Amino acid sequence: AQSVTQLDSQVPVFEEAPVELRCNYSSSVSVYLFWYVQYPNQGLQLLLKYLSGSTLVKGINGFEAEFNKSQTSFHLRKPSVHISDTAEYFCAVTGTSYGKLTFGQGTILTVHP
Amino acid sequence: SAVISQKPSRDICQRGTSLTIQCQVDSQVTMMFWYRQQPGQSLTLIATANQGSEATYESGFVIDKFPISRPNLTFSTLTVSNMSPEDSSIYLCSVETLAGETQYFGPGTRLLVL
Repeated sequence: AQSVTQLDSQVPVFEEAPVELRCNYSSSVSVYLFWYVQYPNQGLQLLLKYLSGSTLVKGINGFEAEFNKSQTSFHLRKPSVHISDTAEYFCAVTGTSYGKLTFGQGTILTVHP
Repeated sequence: SAVISQKPSRDICQRGTSLTIQCQVDSQVTMMFWYRQQPGQSLTLIATANQGSEATYESGFVIDKFPISRPNLTFSTLTVSNMSPEDSSIYLCSVETLAGETQYFGPGTRLLVL
């Protein structure tokens, strides 16, 4: 079984500032890792994913994340945020042999002008 | 990726009634899933919709309350039966790509039970 901990429930930042949303996971098997974004009153949109290979993955809208196996982390970063990045962000993990996604509790990112 | 639609997008229902939610994908997929997102909460997997066989339910979810159908590789339904206000949630379907490692989500069905 897997579990995911998102260390911050809310992150307020000013526009054009950098941001990091933290995610730690636990698993007894190899994993795939994902970040999804949920804009108000919408479904989930895939931001980026780590399956294998390079530990630094780039996603849509200028986001990137780094897989750190030793620290079991998959933190999401963006060097300069926009008002439109205001949303809830979910980190998720699945074992490489089974499709059940386990989600973290979510981090609400609020970008202020 | 896949284009996923859900119907209805939202509904307000009376307690004791049932609602069937539809999920349609624009291409054939192997795996389809149903999730629930309670207000202010994260997503919880209800069940895996298996084509041609019964759905596989997660702990805490039962077929009598959440019957699921999957008649083909592009369509599934979830019924929320005998609803109570505690069933007020967003219900999302997701599909797994043929490569088998990424899930894409539909827009969700926002359900309010009075």
